[in-house]
Amino acid sequence: VQLLESGGGLVQPGGSLRLSCAASEFTFSNYAMYWVRQAPGKGLEWVSTVSGSGASTNYADSVKGRFTISRDNSKNTVYLQINRLRAEDTAVYYCAKGLWFGEHSGGIFDYWGQGTLVTVSS
Amino acid sequence: DIQMTQSPSSLSASVGDRVTLTCRASQSISSYLHWYQQKPGKAPKLLIYAASDLQTGVPSRFSGSGSGTDYTLTISSLQPEDFAVYYCQQTYSSRYTFGQGTKLEMK
Repeated sequence: VQLLESGGGLVQPGGSLRLSCAASEFTFSNYAMYWVRQAPGKGLEWVSTVSGSGASTNYADSVKGRFTISRDNSKNTVYLQINRLRAEDTAVYYCAKGLWFGEHSGGIFDYWGQGTLVTVSS
Repeated sequence: DIQMTQSPSSLSASVGDRVTLTCRASQSISSYLHWYQQKPGKAPKLLIYAASDLQTGVPSRFSGSGSGTDYTLTISSLQPEDFAVYYCQQTYSSRYTFGQGTKLEMK
């Protein structure tokens, strides 16, 4: 299993970015996918979930209404569109694969990407 | 949201020691409790899921137990590669939450 994030960078407050996570070596559409972030020197925070088909999504309160998760199963890629960025969104963003086979995969993260850093600063 | 509290926040130990890390949930989470290890600059790694099931490839010196609100991760004999930060996570609620982490340091 390989997960490769991209799309991070330096952005001004109020700006937008789209993060991507390209997956390989497993049947992508059979598993939910997740984004988890980690602010510098801090702990882990679950951000968002997308089901295997993409039909259902879920968000942490801290990002609801500003972030949108989606997936393209034909491209084995999950996305995180992040809008109206704030300083407190500065973090390494990891994508992760669900452990359990199935639409919702249980929220246990068995494989993680290397992360992509988003820095929000003027 | 369900709050997860880990103790201690940091722990100094020596190679060969047996150590136990604790995680407490703000409500019963019915063993929907998982443990991750994170080394500096690296992504977390799943160690234990469903409170006590060892993830494939994880050494048997790691074990988990608990029920209700209280859970533990035990390392039976610390190895040099085990010094890291450990996080617990609950999936009882679909709004997943992590503990703040326990940093395991070499004495």
